[in-house]
Amino acid sequence: QVQLQESGPGLVRPAGTLSLTCAVSGDSIRSNDWWTWVRQPPGKGLEWLGEISHGGNANYSPSFRGRVTISIDMSNNQVSLNLKSVTAADTAVYYCAKTVLTWFDPWGQGTLVTVSS
Amino acid sequence: QSALTQPASVSGSPGQSITISCTGASSDVGSYNLVSWYQQLPGKAPKLIIYEGNKRPSGISNRFSGSKSGDTASLTISGLQADDEADYYCCSYAGTSLVFFGGGTKLTVL
Repeated sequence: QVQLQESGPGLVRPAGTLSLTCAVSGDSIRSNDWWTWVRQPPGKGLEWLGEISHGGNANYSPSFRGRVTISIDMSNNQVSLNLKSVTAADTAVYYCAKTVLTWFDPWGQGTLVTVSS
Repeated sequence: QSALTQPASVSGSPGQSITISCTGASSDVGSYNLVSWYQQLPGKAPKLIIYEGNKRPSGISNRFSGSKSGDTASLTISGLQADDEADYYCCSYAGTSLVFFGGGTKLTVL
């Protein structure tokens, strides 16, 4: 059974770059799957950031295009998220999830990132 | 394109049925039978409960059902139970490799 675990700094300075990793276990990232990042600001709803295929093809939300980069590391069976030029509005819980066609299952437990000086 | 529209809150008593709507547009909900629904318990990650409009993953109770009419998808929970109290989110494919979430609906079991 596939499990996902997000990790990374819990605090990022304004104007800096948010970098997170999603470790995948119980499944090979080389399989014919896509992997997605979703975030949830405190007390608010879910926002789709983008996705990446096992082959490295990425799609991004228009709301974040230009700031977000998703990459895949097959040697370590993990997916990464970089979000640059962050502001306080980027404070959120960040989730990774396995994409099955157009739905997401399972999800990682999420990691809270706070943008503050 | 923008987030799908859901009611902010719904409520019901144990044993009753409730329905949560998810209104999109002809370019997303109306064009594809690719709406998924997620249950998010307090402090937890979202969990898939409906995919492809009306299919349930293994282990999800048949008290949860999905449907669609035009540009609006719906989630119905029958036989409401106390542990159904959670936030519910819809999500739709919108073409060109894009997906959008609804704003979420807080379900209160009275």
